[in-house]
Amino acid sequence: NAGVTQTPKFQVLKTGQSMTLQCAQDMNHEYMSWYRQDPGMGLRLIHYSVGAGITDQGEVPNGYNVSRSTTEDFPLRLLSAAPSQTSVYFCASSTGSSTNEQFFGPGTRLTVL
Amino acid sequence: GNSVTQMEGPVTLSEEAFLTINCTYTATGYPSLFWYVQYPGEGLQLLLKATKADDKGSNKGFEATYRKETTSFHLEKGSVQVSDSAVYFCALKDTGFQKLVFGTGTRLLVSP
Repeated sequence: NAGVTQTPKFQVLKTGQSMTLQCAQDMNHEYMSWYRQDPGMGLRLIHYSVGAGITDQGEVPNGYNVSRSTTEDFPLRLLSAAPSQTSVYFCASSTGSSTNEQFFGPGTRLTVL
Repeated sequence: GNSVTQMEGPVTLSEEAFLTINCTYTATGYPSLFWYVQYPGEGLQLLLKATKADDKGSNKGFEATYRKETTSFHLEKGSVQVSDSAVYFCALKDTGFQKLVFGTGTRLLVSP
């Protein structure tokens, strides 16, 4: 199993550009989520999904869109990038049990100029 | 709401020293508690977990005990190695929910 994969690993955008961060998992997990990691702030939840066709907002959803058309994929879209979105983004997945761990991807480091 | 508080870092130790990283939590239900570790340039990996009060999670020489009375889940290791240098995150999942709530992370630096 590849686990949770993310692409790209690094990305530089100009203010106002749009892009999609890709996330895929091959563990048949129902739950998937996106976090951003900023210095001194830990990880903050952007959006999450409890299954195909179902998404919801997390703690910091503004400026981001998600969709979940398949169990495996959960892309994160930046509609109009802003410097405040410079961060490291992590995708994670888990089974339906609240006692189980989340598995994290390797991250995407995004810089918005 | 749910929250996790970790001690500020960095924690700087010499090899073979004893490690404690404090973590306390606030939760409305009966959460599961986790410690994740992030090595430089990598994603987060589960280090250990505990799912109910008085449970002890352990892995790679690290231990943490779920203390409901003090709402704590402190991470300990008896003898750290240089390879333990990383950022450590305490996190919780409340009962019936999938969302992880993280602390801000504690950087550990171990010197030879």
